[in-house]
Amino acid sequence: GESVGLHLPTLSVQEGDNSIINCAYSNSASDYFIWYKQESGKGPQFIIDIRSNMDKRQGQRVTVLLNKTVKHLSLQIAATQPGDSAVYFCAVPSGGYNKLIFGAGTRLAVHP
Amino acid sequence: ETGVTQSPTHLIKTRGQQVTLRCSSQSGHNTVSWYQQALGQGPQFIFQYYREEENGRGNFPPRFSGLQFPNYSSELNVNALELDDSALYLCASSRGNVRGGTEAFFGQGTRLTVV
Repeated sequence: GESVGLHLPTLSVQEGDNSIINCAYSNSASDYFIWYKQESGKGPQFIIDIRSNMDKRQGQRVTVLLNKTVKHLSLQIAATQPGDSAVYFCAVPSGGYNKLIFGAGTRLAVHP
Repeated sequence: ETGVTQSPTHLIKTRGQQVTLRCSSQSGHNTVSWYQQALGQGPQFIFQYYREEENGRGNFPPRFSGLQFPNYSSELNVNALELDDSALYLCASSRGNVRGGTEAFFGQGTRLTVV
C-alpha cells in the first residue's frame, strides 16, 4: 500500500539556524503533498502544501521542495525559532476522498 | 484555533468498556474524518463521514463505528476497548476533498487511556 516515511525521527538545531526536514513517499501517482506541524497537546496544524506540477513553494519562513524523480519532499524552515519546536509530518491524500496518509513524523528541537 | 472542538480532552476507560468521543466541525464544513494517533506515530485514518454517510474507512475493526449528525458534528464509538486502543483520537473537518486542495482542520484530540 501507499506509504510515507520521514528520514530522521529527531532533528536538533540552534535557534536562528535553518532546518531541513525530509520525507519520502512511495506512490509515484501522488499529486498533492501537505506538511503539518503538531505541537505538544495539540492536533496537527497545516503549514504548507504543494502540487506535483510544482517543484518549489514558499510560505512565511518555510519552503517546500518536491523531487518527483526520487519521490522525495523536504520542508525548509528559515531562521528557526523556539516556537518551531514540534513534530512535523508530511501527508499525502489517498483514495478518492479525504484520507490522509501520514509519515511517522520528525521531532524538531530548537536550542537557544 | 481551528474551530474544530473535541470532547472530552482526556478519558480513562477499562478494558472491555465502550467509549464515545465527540467532534464539532468547523462552521461550513460538511466532511469529518477521524484518526488514531499512537504515541510516537503519525495519525492513522479510521473513517470519514460526508453528509451523514460513511465515505471511506481505514484498516480498523467494526467495533470502531461512527455517526455524523445533520449539523455535521460527529461521534466516534469504540466497543470492547482493548489496551492497544490507548491513543490520541483526532477529528479533522473540511469543506470538500483534500485532494482538491481544501484544507483539513484538526481538533486538539481526545487522549484515551485504556487500563
